[in-house]
Amino acid sequence: GNSVTQMEGPVTLSEEAFLTINCTYTATGYPSLFWYVQYPGEGLQLLLKATKADDKGSNKGFEATYRKETTSFHLEKGSVQVSDSAVYFCALTDMDSNYQLIWGAGTKLIIKP
Amino acid sequence: DAGVIQSPRHEVTEMGQEVTLRCKPISGHDYLFWYRQTMMRGLELLIYFNNNVPIDDSGMPEDRFSAKMPNASFSTLKIQPSEPRDSAVYFCASSRRSVTEAFFGQGTRLTVV
Repeated sequence: GNSVTQMEGPVTLSEEAFLTINCTYTATGYPSLFWYVQYPGEGLQLLLKATKADDKGSNKGFEATYRKETTSFHLEKGSVQVSDSAVYFCALTDMDSNYQLIWGAGTKLIIKP
Repeated sequence: DAGVIQSPRHEVTEMGQEVTLRCKPISGHDYLFWYRQTMMRGLELLIYFNNNVPIDDSGMPEDRFSAKMPNASFSTLKIQPSEPRDSAVYFCASSRRSVTEAFFGQGTRLTVV
């Protein structure tokens, strides 16, 4: 079945550091891929998405490129801020999941000033 | 729109008691989802509705859990009787369609003692 694997956290960085959070997926079809963010005490919010191979999703300085050859959708940001501290979830949907979101376990990001 | 509204934000109850969680989705959204989030199991889809009709309840853990959506603007998740292992954060989310861009409420943190 479909699945999403994220790097384990927590990831701890200093402010202005470069961020990469790895995400790989297993899917039999052509999934759409997403990153959601959960700030402390809040629900999840869609951060960015990509619906086909080689698409790049971007928002708030974050980017992720849909790589079909490596089945990956790594999240990157060039210079993180303390306010980026949150839990980040990678997810996919496709026909095999009846278009329901299949979630990764989440990666906690801690940014120190 | 005020977003997805859940109540209560926090609930502490004794084992064996009935618990009812409430959700008001975003107006015009025809899909509603109930999720449970724990450290051990991550984010789990419990049930979802389309146009007030339950479509998939395969994620509901036991018969102690039930969910209803009597109209387009209100849904409940009930646990009867509650057990300590039900302690978790329960999220409601809604979307205009089943694919992507689900908007989450702030969640209800349930503690069963």
